[in-house]
Amino acid sequence: SQQGEEDPQALSIQEGENATMNCSYKTSINNLQWYRQNSGRGLVHLILIRSNEREKHSGRLRVTLDTSKKSSSLLITASRAADTASYFCATDGGNQGGKLIFGQGTELSVKP
Amino acid sequence: ETGVTQTPRHLVMGMTNKKSLKCEQHLGHNAMYWYKQSAKKPLELMFVYNFKEQTENNSVPSRFSPECPNSSHLFLHLHTLQPEDSALYLCASSRAAGASGDYEQYFGPGTRLTVT
Repeated sequence: SQQGEEDPQALSIQEGENATMNCSYKTSINNLQWYRQNSGRGLVHLILIRSNEREKHSGRLRVTLDTSKKSSSLLITASRAADTASYFCATDGGNQGGKLIFGQGTELSVKP
Repeated sequence: ETGVTQTPRHLVMGMTNKKSLKCEQHLGHNAMYWYKQSAKKPLELMFVYNFKEQTENNSVPSRFSPECPNSSHLFLHLHTLQPEDSALYLCASSRAAGASGDYEQYFGPGTRLTVT
């Protein structure tokens, strides 16, 4: 069954603005990861947040995790045109032997 | 994408053909994965290999046959495919396929497969 559900499905912003994407999941998890995918290419790992962490930063990225609500958010600050891509959250579904369950993703378009 | 290579990048095959997709990782990882990505659908895990042993077959039809001769190489053998199998096939690797799933996965650029 699908685990991660991203919201919104598509987001269009101007360069310099912040972009926030949300992810909800259904089962307990050990960790949650965010990935980026440029059109028709492989996914690139952005950040991993463990279930006992509430917030994590990496450069212009900020990820939060609320296990009580089974949700996570990815914030990209001061967006650039190069941030245009699809963003996916992925969860381990709790002891699934390395299996990651991906959501459908958010398509982010950053206009220069 | 660096560190995980996939060949070919594009493949067009008829329903009666037999072809193979190849994946190679240069990262010293012990786990490798095949995913299928169709338009407007979430990434679907197909197979997982951990230390050359298959640990996951996500109810994949037998017309897809994986092979992992060593920790660096992964193949997906294709035969008698259907048009609905047209998709982007992505290979990934990670340090291991641990129970807690706390290893990030490194993806290759994918093979765009079209079945005619």
